[in-house]
Amino acid sequence: DTGVSQNPRHKITKRGQNVTFRCDPISEHNRLYWYRQTLGQGPEFLTYFQNEAQLEKSRLLSDRFSAERPKGSFSTLEIQRTEQGDSAMYLCASRGDTGNTIYFGEGSWLTVV
Amino acid sequence: KQEVTQIPAALSVPEGENLVLNCSFTDSAIYNLQWFRQDPGKGLTSLLLIQSSQREQTSGRLNASLDKSSGRSTLYIAASQPGDSATYLCAVPTGGGSNYKLTFGKGTLLTVNP
Repeated sequence: DTGVSQNPRHKITKRGQNVTFRCDPISEHNRLYWYRQTLGQGPEFLTYFQNEAQLEKSRLLSDRFSAERPKGSFSTLEIQRTEQGDSAMYLCASRGDTGNTIYFGEGSWLTVV
Repeated sequence: KQEVTQIPAALSVPEGENLVLNCSFTDSAIYNLQWFRQDPGKGLTSLLLIQSSQREQTSGRLNASLDKSSGRSTLYIAASQPGDSATYLCAVPTGGGSNYKLTFGKGTLLTVNP
């Protein structure tokens, strides 16, 4: 396993711009999660995919956020019309059918200026 | 609603000390509990996962215990080293029997001084 991979690792964007983050889960992991973490806080759940189906979305995921997982492989998280309050680290995680351990990526830092 | 609390928020110890980090949760009907480590600006690394039917899990110098009835877990680190300096987070699954959605505590920031 090469681990969960996230890109880009850092993104600085101007308020109002759109940004997209990509997550490549551990191969053959059919469950994929997105979390958001701000300084001094634990990660907060955003959304969950099982294969290509998005099964749950948090209330934190406003209409400006959209996540996809075409073909049940990699996933993208897009934030439209970014706001300063979107500044956070966006974490992707994956889990397979066997075992309960969730594996996280290194995260994608977003700074909205 | 499940709430997870970690005490203390920060801890500074000299190298070589044994230490205990605490995690409590409000809803004891959990499927498992997972401890993570997070280095500054990095993602989370899974340390230990304890199933609800287990009392303890050990990995090297780390030992995690779980008391579901009291809603508590502890992470014991033996013979601490400067490389153990990091934030330690505990998390429990919510929303059903599988851990597809974790609720995290705010973490304990551990500093081990040489």
